[in-house]
Amino acid sequence: AQKITQTQPGMFVQEKEAVTLDCTYDTSDPSYGLFWYKQPSSGEMIFLIYQGSYDQQNATEGRYSLNFQKARKSANLVISASQLGDSAMYFCAMREWTDFNKFYFGSGTKLNVKP
Amino acid sequence: GAVVSQHPSRVICKSGTSVKIECRSLDFQATTMFWYRQFPKKSLMLMATSNEGSKATYEQGVEKDKFLINHASLTLSTLTVTSAHPEDSSFYICSAGSNEKLFFGSGTQLSVL
Repeated sequence: AQKITQTQPGMFVQEKEAVTLDCTYDTSDPSYGLFWYKQPSSGEMIFLIYQGSYDQQNATEGRYSLNFQKARKSANLVISASQLGDSAMYFCAMREWTDFNKFYFGSGTKLNVKP
Repeated sequence: GAVVSQHPSRVICKSGTSVKIECRSLDFQATTMFWYRQFPKKSLMLMATSNEGSKATYEQGVEKDKFLINHASLTLSTLTVTSAHPEDSSFYICSAGSNEKLFFGSGTQLSVL
């Protein structure tokens, strides 16, 4: 089974609107971390937000928030007030603490922000 | 600012030559660094885990003799693609962790002619 699933290969959003990028994960490890990265066309991977499995509150970083639903094993990224510069590939990733060196990535979602 | 520096950003080489890619952690010491390969419009594939002062751990299917990894200090790991072939052309990206987070270098686009 895939560890990380991103079901949206591509998405469009109007500038200034909010958008949700889906991510579901699969693990039996009680301790894990969930991450979102942005990859612009330049190729670099930019860390956006992190959610620990024991965190009680949903993580927020500026315009980014993570909708963490542990029972459903989902960790959706919400981008509020989309900007043209948000157009990029977005990857969801997971790290299990029992195998700390393993970082599992989803297949990515290409977000296009329309003016 | 960037916390992981990767050089070069782009390299073109002839088939049969070797190419070295450097990855440096700038603001922290990294006992472990990771090397990924990314094909166009695909996700990142972990190639190997670089351990300071010891041998790298390679993922299944990755040739350790072809992709030499050296982690000689707490801030530097290098990936050498030996006897490069056109099928080695790809985007290579390194990463290093600080606490629970993983930061990435800017990547290296390798083109083997």
